[in-house]
Amino acid sequence: GNSVTQMEGPVTLSEEAFLTINCTYTATGYPSLFWYVQYPGEGLQLLLKATKADDKGSNKGFEATYRKETTSFHLEKGSVQVSDSAVYFCALTLSTQGGSEKLVFGKGTKLTVNP
Amino acid sequence: EPEVTQTPSHQVTQMGQEVILRCVPISNHLYFYWYRQILGQKVEFLVSFYNNEISEKSEIFDDQFSVERPDGSNFTLKIRSTKLEDSAMYFCATQGDSAGPQHFGDGTRLSIL
Repeated sequence: GNSVTQMEGPVTLSEEAFLTINCTYTATGYPSLFWYVQYPGEGLQLLLKATKADDKGSNKGFEATYRKETTSFHLEKGSVQVSDSAVYFCALTLSTQGGSEKLVFGKGTKLTVNP
Repeated sequence: EPEVTQTPSHQVTQMGQEVILRCVPISNHLYFYWYRQILGQKVEFLVSFYNNEISEKSEIFDDQFSVERPDGSNFTLKIRSTKLEDSAMYFCATQGDSAGPQHFGDGTRLSIL
């Protein structure tokens, strides 16, 4: 079946440290890949996405590259800030009947950035 | 920026009671979804809804669950007879077209006693 596996948290970093959150996927066909972020007390927000192999999604200093050969979509940021503290979810979609595309999520990785 | 609005933010209900969770989608969005997240677990797909009918539902979405868009705006999730294991955060998401991103509400925390 279709699934997403992401690194277990929690992850604790100091401000300005380099961040990597690993994500790998299993899918039939060619999924679109996403990173969502959930700040405390809020809903899920789309952070970035990539729809085909070798695409790089980027937003707010975060990047992730769709690697078909390793079925991965690792999230990176060169210098994290305290305001990046949140839970990060890797997800994929595959088209379903009727054109709607359900999201399949990983378990989430909680990031805490200390000043 | 347009938002997806969910009400209530927190619902506490006795086991066996019916609950209705409400979602106001972003205007002109055509695709609607419900997801849930049991504490400490993954966000799980429940159901998708397009053109006034269910597009797909998961095995979680059994006969106790239903969705509707009664007035063309609100999108509701009903659980007829709640169980303890229905306690979770329920997220509504809406999408403008099949290629666009899904926009999530802040969720409704459902607590079954």
